[in-house]
Amino acid sequence: DAGVIQSPRHEVTEMGQEVTLRCKPISGHNSLFWYRQTMMRGLELLIYFNNNVPIDDSGMPEDRFSAKMPNASFSTLKIQPSEPRDSAVYFCASRPTGATNEQFFGPGTRLTVL
Amino acid sequence: SQKIEQNSEALNIQEGKTATLTCNYTNYSPAYLQWYRQDPGRGPVFLLLIRENEKEKRKERLKVTFDTTLKQSLFHITASQPADSATYLCALISSGSARQLTFGSGTQLTVLP
Repeated sequence: DAGVIQSPRHEVTEMGQEVTLRCKPISGHNSLFWYRQTMMRGLELLIYFNNNVPIDDSGMPEDRFSAKMPNASFSTLKIQPSEPRDSAVYFCASRPTGATNEQFFGPGTRLTVL
Repeated sequence: SQKIEQNSEALNIQEGKTATLTCNYTNYSPAYLQWYRQDPGRGPVFLLLIRENEKEKRKERLKVTFDTTLKQSLFHITASQPADSATYLCALISSGSARQLTFGSGTQLTVLP
């Protein structure tokens, strides 16, 4: 298995532009998580899907952020319009069913908003 | 408010020694506590899970303890090696939550040869 796949790995954009980050979870995992990591705030949960349904989006910073999971093998995180303070590494993680709750993280997307 | 604190942002130790990392939490009732390793430019990788009713868990050179009275977990790496250098994150799942993790800020461990 290739693990969790994220694209792009790096994104540089200008303030005001729309940014779309993509994630392919591990096949068979029924939960998917989007995190943001910065030096100041560490690793923060943005949104969590279970069986493609958003369960908790309380970590989404504001209306500029939106996430979708149209099917079990694909999710997107969109920022529109982007701002310099959105610069961070965005991680997607997936988790199989079961009590251990181990999460498998992708390699991350490093976003820089100029 | 809920808080997870990991000891000193950076920890340097000599190769062969035991590294001990601390994770303290307040205003949580964790059902599970996990430890992850993160290398530069990569996502976190799961290492160990310990449940609230377990005192200690071991995996090769790793040992985790969980004291719900002290609200603390200790993570030990024995016979440390330079390859153990990384950032280590603790993460909690509270009882009754939707089974999502809340992460500490991490401790950057450097093992000196």
